[in-house]
Amino acid sequence: EAGVAQSPRYKIIEKRQSVAFWCNPISGHATLYWYQQILGQGPKLLIQFQNNGVVDDSQLPKDRFSAERLKGVDSTLKIQPAKLEDSAVYLCASSLSAPGGSNEQFFGPGTRLTVL
Amino acid sequence: DAKTTQPNSMESNEEEPVHLPCNHSTISGTDYIHWYRQLPSQGPEYVIHGLTSNVNNRMASLAIAEDRKSSTLILHRATLRDAAVYYCILRVTNFGNEKLTFGTGTRLTIIP
Repeated sequence: EAGVAQSPRYKIIEKRQSVAFWCNPISGHATLYWYQQILGQGPKLLIQFQNNGVVDDSQLPKDRFSAERLKGVDSTLKIQPAKLEDSAVYLCASSLSAPGGSNEQFFGPGTRLTVL
Repeated sequence: DAKTTQPNSMESNEEEPVHLPCNHSTISGTDYIHWYRQLPSQGPEYVIHGLTSNVNNRMASLAIAEDRKSSTLILHRATLRDAAVYYCILRVTNFGNEKLTFGTGTRLTIIP
């Protein structure tokens, strides 16, 4: 079974530039998550999609971050404009979200963003 | 968000059992206890989860206290590949939406 795919793996930009990350979840997984992981900390949920609808974006800095999930499958996360404090690993995860199931989240390898 | 408390770091010798503790004194009746681990330069991976009873799978065992205010992840025979950050997380369900809130976890070092 193919895992969660993310691209690019690494990105270096200057502050005030824009950047976009792409995620392809495991086939059939209804729920998709974007997390931000700053060095030395645990992942922090930015946004959660159920199919192509947003169910939680309470921690997404909406003045600069945006995300969409195309046709309930792939997703993109965009930062515009980037700040130094956005340097982090951006993780995408997906889960089946079957009622009564473990709803285990499967994570991709992440995109490491460095903002100079 | 429901909170868990874990030691920042632990060490264990290779091929010995490892007991990773977690306190979750504010757990509510419907919160599941999940454990994930994150190997270096990788995304987190699921280890095990439980509600009230102890659980076993191919990776580990989860021992849950009778009052559910604490739990212990048990690696029966640690290998070098088990060196990772281990996260104890309460899976909270709000209006049908399930959410994991990661803390800083326990960094496990395996000594050869």
